[in-house]
Amino acid sequence: AQTVTQSQPEMSVQEAETVTLSCTYDTSESNYYLFWYKQPPSRQMILVIRQEAYKQQNATENRFSVNFQKAAKSFSLKISDSQLGDTAMYFCALGGAQKLVFGQGTRLTINP
Amino acid sequence: NAGVTQTPKFQVLKTGQSMTLQCAQDMNHEYMSWYRQDPGMGLRLIHYSVGAGITDQGEVPNGYNVSRSTTEDFPLRLLSAAPSQTSVYFCASSYIGRGSSPLHFGNGTRLTVT
Repeated sequence: AQTVTQSQPEMSVQEAETVTLSCTYDTSESNYYLFWYKQPPSRQMILVIRQEAYKQQNATENRFSVNFQKAAKSFSLKISDSQLGDTAMYFCALGGAQKLVFGQGTRLTINP
Repeated sequence: NAGVTQTPKFQVLKTGQSMTLQCAQDMNHEYMSWYRQDPGMGLRLIHYSVGAGITDQGEVPNGYNVSRSTTEDFPLRLLSAAPSQTSVYFCASSYIGRGSSPLHFGNGTRLTVT
């Protein structure tokens, strides 16, 4: 069975700081994908970034980047120059693109 | 471009009542799915479908039925609601076989069973 673990239920940082959200996973598949989704108070699920397991290069999307450690089965999300609009729940997810398994989520608060 | 549309946004049911959560997508996605979101547990897969006429169970299927008569629609039925089904429900869809095609989510339905 595939599992995803987010060990930080809540985090809080000051605006403009850099913050890293942790995610570990377990799978027996050789080809898989990893995602970070953001859920603001509006309840929308918004794709932040995705990583294909066969690609060694870490994915980057503007202020968001990942540290993908395949051997350690770790997939952390780094948010640089954090903004008030980054306040949200963040979910790490693992799967074959469709049938995703989600972590428990990390509630991130950006303080002014 | 509507994307994934879920109705209703909110619903309150009494124990034992039945209802259907509607989900429609206009992106011609083959894959559709239902998740429930509970505090501290993330999103868990209830049922999914890879095309019209094909459905399968996810992680937490008990108490829920689905059908997929068209590519666009994937309703979720609660036949006899229970308080344990109080949750936020998300419908999501995507293409199949296009690499890392991400899931597109609806805006969710908050269901309360009293």
